[in-house]
Amino acid sequence: GAVVSQHPSRVICKSGTSVKIECRSLDFQATTMFWYRQFPKQSLMLMATSNEGSKATYEQGVEKDKFLINHASLTLSTLTVTSAHPEDSSFYICSASLGHPNQPQHFGDGTRLSIL
Amino acid sequence: AQKITQTQPGMFVQEKEAVTLDCTYDTSDQSYGLFWYKQPSSGEMIFLIYQGSYDEQNATEGRYSLNFQKARKSANLVISASQLGDSAMYFCAMKVTGGGNKLTFGTGTQLKVEL
Repeated sequence: GAVVSQHPSRVICKSGTSVKIECRSLDFQATTMFWYRQFPKQSLMLMATSNEGSKATYEQGVEKDKFLINHASLTLSTLTVTSAHPEDSSFYICSASLGHPNQPQHFGDGTRLSIL
Repeated sequence: AQKITQTQPGMFVQEKEAVTLDCTYDTSDQSYGLFWYKQPSSGEMIFLIYQGSYDEQNATEGRYSLNFQKARKSANLVISASQLGDSAMYFCAMKVTGGGNKLTFGTGTQLKVEL
């Protein structure tokens, strides 16, 4: 089945650091990937849609300059949390799908980000 | 806009029993897909089962089945013969054809399987 790999799985860093998270589709090409944020005991909140070769589409309320998304190839999207602060601490998870409406999104294993 | 409602924040079931997790949805689109995902405490999202809006039969995948009632706009997940490893958060989600493949998630149901 379709596999999505996400790295790193856990990051602990100091306030002010920029953190890059990678999302790779291992056995299929994904023109579109999605980035979600999840707070404890809550549902997934879509942050942005990552489009290969073009700008990402951000959901309302998500800061474009804080959460930089790059989708440079059909198998890789990156999310960079710039100048991270403690309030950016969260669980970030990416997904990709084969594109057909009846195909599920396949998720990476997520990244737990802790900003000290 | 689409909306998914999961009214059960938490559910308990005894091992080997069946359990139904509720999901209702709202959309004005005629063509859509409904999905269930399992999220263990480790965080990964595991795809369980899919039901298309035009599918006449309820979807089944091993111990998972989807009780799809289109007129009531409900898509309940039934887990048969519960196992301890089924303890997790379960999310119902929907995407509509032409919606850019975006998934709309419900708030989730935390299932605990007991001995």
